[in-house]
Amino acid sequence: DAGVTQSPTHLIKTRGQQVTLRCSPISGHKSVSWYQQVLGQGPQFIFQYYEKEERGRGNFPDRFSARQFPNYSSELNVNALLLGDSALYLCASSGWGHIGELFFGEGSRLTVL
Amino acid sequence: AQKITQTQPGMFVQEKEAVTLDCTYDTSDPSYGLFWYKQPSSGEMIFLIYQGSYDQQNATEGRYSLNFQKARKSANLVISASQLGDSAMYFCAMREDLANQAGTALIFGKGTTLSVSS
Repeated sequence: DAGVTQSPTHLIKTRGQQVTLRCSPISGHKSVSWYQQVLGQGPQFIFQYYEKEERGRGNFPDRFSARQFPNYSSELNVNALLLGDSALYLCASSGWGHIGELFFGEGSRLTVL
Repeated sequence: AQKITQTQPGMFVQEKEAVTLDCTYDTSDPSYGLFWYKQPSSGEMIFLIYQGSYDQQNATEGRYSLNFQKARKSANLVISASQLGDSAMYFCAMREDLANQAGTALIFGKGTTLSVSS
């Protein structure tokens, strides 16, 4: 069975640009969460979606947005990129609205120049 | 606010030895869950073990065990018989019910880099 898949795996953007990251959860999982991991730190929660509805949002500016589609895949959008947005963006899925075990993808590594 | 503290930036161990990775947490919730994840250089976070706050026994999963001391608010990961493939970053995390929101999130510590040598 396929795990959580994310695309693209690596990307480079310049300040002020916009980026869209994509995530496909494990088949049957209805909850998707997004995390940002800056180099040398643990992941920080950005969003949780369950059944296409936003269930939670972390302490991130409005430049960050996300959505979940009817097939439970998800997109994370970041507008007006800043140098500090350079990070590994991790997507995780779980079978429940509340976290049981989270299954993570390998992440999308974003570099902002 | 909940908080996870991992005080060991790096740990070094030889193959076949046991190693303990420290984790302390801070929460006022009576019900909580604690997780350990492994992150190799590929970036994927791999779930290792889970301990619920009401679990009577320490969790074990193969070579991984969790030394849960509730009164001390510690949840140390013990890896027995280390292998070269255990070299990675290890993160302790706690489940948090989001304030005024319907969802939950994991709060992670800063991690510990484990290096296993032959």
